[in-house]
Amino acid sequence: AQSVAQPEDQVNVAEGNPLTVKCTYSVSGNPYLFWYVQYPNRGLQFLLKYITGDNLVKGSYGFEAEFNKSQTSFHLKKPSALVSDSALYFCAVRDMDSGNTPLVFGKGTRLSVIA
Amino acid sequence: DTEVTQTPKHLVMGMTNKKSLKCEQHMGHRAMYWYKQKAKKPPELMFVYSYEKLSINESVPSRFSPECPNSSLLNLHLHALQPEDSALYLCASSQVTGHNSPLHFGNGTRLTVT
Repeated sequence: AQSVAQPEDQVNVAEGNPLTVKCTYSVSGNPYLFWYVQYPNRGLQFLLKYITGDNLVKGSYGFEAEFNKSQTSFHLKKPSALVSDSALYFCAVRDMDSGNTPLVFGKGTRLSVIA
Repeated sequence: DTEVTQTPKHLVMGMTNKKSLKCEQHMGHRAMYWYKQKAKKPPELMFVYSYEKLSINESVPSRFSPECPNSSLLNLHLHALQPEDSALYLCASSQVTGHNSPLHFGNGTRLTVT
């Protein structure tokens, strides 16, 4: 079985400050991990993914995420938040060894960046 | 702008109506998906098509009927829906199912059932 947890419903951060959105996962084998962002009245937009290799993954709009196997985490980070980063963020996981098992999404974290 | 196009953007229908949602992608992707999303919740998978064949149906009621006429098009036919079916319906595509292919989502159809 595979699952993903986003422990925070809401994250508030001041513009210009660093931001972190947390994600932990559970899979039987090795994970493929993804972050998506959703702006109001839009579909989900792919930000970045971890497959293998370097634990620090860089993605769109200055976002990055760090894969930590021992803590089974894949937290999303950005050094300096913008008001335009305010949106709903979803972490997702797929077990690398699970064949065609669909992607599993976390419940989402609402990020609010305050000017 | 997204490379997955969904029409219509908004749809209001009565419980006795028949309507269809349409989705199109021209990225050469061979996997296409329908998701249902309620407000402030993650998307819930409904159907997966792989190489134009239905590969996953997540126990969706028969009032939702998917169709994949070709590798670029995906339809969702709606009939006798209930008010609780009101939601944002998202189409997505990926190069193939499984593997590490990211999903590319359309902007969705906002469905209201009256």
